[in-house]
Amino acid sequence: GDSVTQMEGPVTLSEEAFLTINCTYTATGYPSLFWYVQYPGEGLQLLLKATKADDKGSNKGFEATYRKETTSFHLEKGSVQVSDSAVYFCALCSGSVDYKLSFGAGTTVTVRA
Amino acid sequence: DAGITQSPRHKVTETGTPVTLRCHQTENHRYMYWYRQDPGHGLRLIHYSYGVKDTDKGEVSDGYSVSRSKTEDFLLTLESATSSQTSVYFCAISETLGQGNDEQYFGPGTRLTVT
Repeated sequence: GDSVTQMEGPVTLSEEAFLTINCTYTATGYPSLFWYVQYPGEGLQLLLKATKADDKGSNKGFEATYRKETTSFHLEKGSVQVSDSAVYFCALCSGSVDYKLSFGAGTTVTVRA
Repeated sequence: DAGITQSPRHKVTETGTPVTLRCHQTENHRYMYWYRQDPGHGLRLIHYSYGVKDTDKGEVSDGYSVSRSKTEDFLLTLESATSSQTSVYFCAISETLGQGNDEQYFGPGTRLTVT
């Protein structure tokens, strides 16, 4: 079945540091890939997405590239801020038959001033 | 923000009691989902709905039932709550499926504690 594996946290960084969160997936067909973010006390929000190989999703300074050859969708940001402290989830949706999003376990990121 | 509300937002109940959580949307989206969030597991799908009175099981459906009598409301019921159902429950909605339109919008969550 479909599955997502993302790097375990927690991750603690200083402001302006570079952030990478690794995500790899297993899926049939050609899934859409997502990064969701959950700020403290809130629900999940879509951060970015990519729907086909080599697509790059970007938003709020975050980027991730859909790499079919390595089945990966790593999240990166060049200079993090305290406001980026959150839990980040990688997820996939494998097409029109399977309606479900499959989530990774989440990575908690804390950015210190 | 997508118009999704969940009620109650917090609930403490005793083992063996029935509990119903409500998700209400104002977006007229066809698809609705219930997830539970637990440390180390991310979000896991409990049940989902692809239309009024059309529902199906997710990966962790045991001990839960759902109903959808109107487009805007999706109810999750724990028939007899157990301590293992202590969790944060999220409702989500989506408009379309496939062709790159698989985005889901999430509600604020309900924190349920079963003592």
